[in-house]
Amino acid sequence: AQKITQTQPGMFVQEKEAVTLDCTYDTSDPSYGLFWYKQPSSGEMIFLIYQGSYDQQNATEGRYSLNFQKARKSANLVISASQLGDSAMYFCAMREGHNAGNMLTFGGGTRLMVKP
Amino acid sequence: DVKVTQSSRYLVKRTGEKVFLECVQDMDHENMFWYRQDPGLGLRLIYFSYDVKMKEKGDIPEGYSVSREKKERFSLILESASTNQTSMYLCASSSASNQPQHFGDGTRLSIL
Repeated sequence: AQKITQTQPGMFVQEKEAVTLDCTYDTSDPSYGLFWYKQPSSGEMIFLIYQGSYDQQNATEGRYSLNFQKARKSANLVISASQLGDSAMYFCAMREGHNAGNMLTFGGGTRLMVKP
Repeated sequence: DVKVTQSSRYLVKRTGEKVFLECVQDMDHENMFWYRQDPGLGLRLIYFSYDVKMKEKGDIPEGYSVSREKKERFSLILESASTNQTSMYLCASSSASNQPQHFGDGTRLSIL
C-alpha cells in the first residue's frame, strides 16, 4: 500500500486565490512527521512546512498552512493568495517513528499551475 | 544556510560505464541520502547513511552502491550504467533531530 498518496497530478489556480493540495498518509506508528516540499522547474527541492503527529496546532509558515486531520490521516497544504512563482511541483513526505537516518517517504507529487 | 552541493547538474554517460555522483554538505549533518526522481513516481530512496562508513539500502538499491568516507561527502556509484538509470538524482542531508532534509540542485543523468 502507498504510504503517501497525492491524488491530484495537476492543478490550476487563479492568481491571488487560495488552493489546497491533498495528501493522505498511512502509518501505524503513533510518532511521525509530515513535510511539504516545493520543486520549481529549476529542480531544487525547497522545504516549506512541517507537522508533527503530536502537535496540537496546525502548522503555519507565512502563506503556507497545513490542514492536519489526524483521524482522517490527511495533511493538506493550503497556499493562500497564490502567486505566479508558486507554480511548481509539490511533494508531501512522511517520517515514521524515530528511524535512524531520519528517512522520508515521498508522494508522487502535484503540479500546481498558477494562472495570471 | 545549509548548502548541499552536487558535483554536476547534467551528465551524459554510456551503458556499461562506472559513474560517480558526488554530494557534499557543509552543515555537519549526520544523515545523507540519495534519491532518484522519475515522472509520476515522486522521489524514491536509493541509499542513505546515518554516519561515516555506515550505509543502509533504501527502496531501490539495485544497480547502485554508495560510499561515505567523510561526514560531509556521500557518493553514489553506478557500477555498470544502464539506460534504465537515466533519471534525475537528488542528494539530501539532515541532522539527527526531527529536522527537514535539505536538498542539492540535482543531477540530470542520461545513459546512452
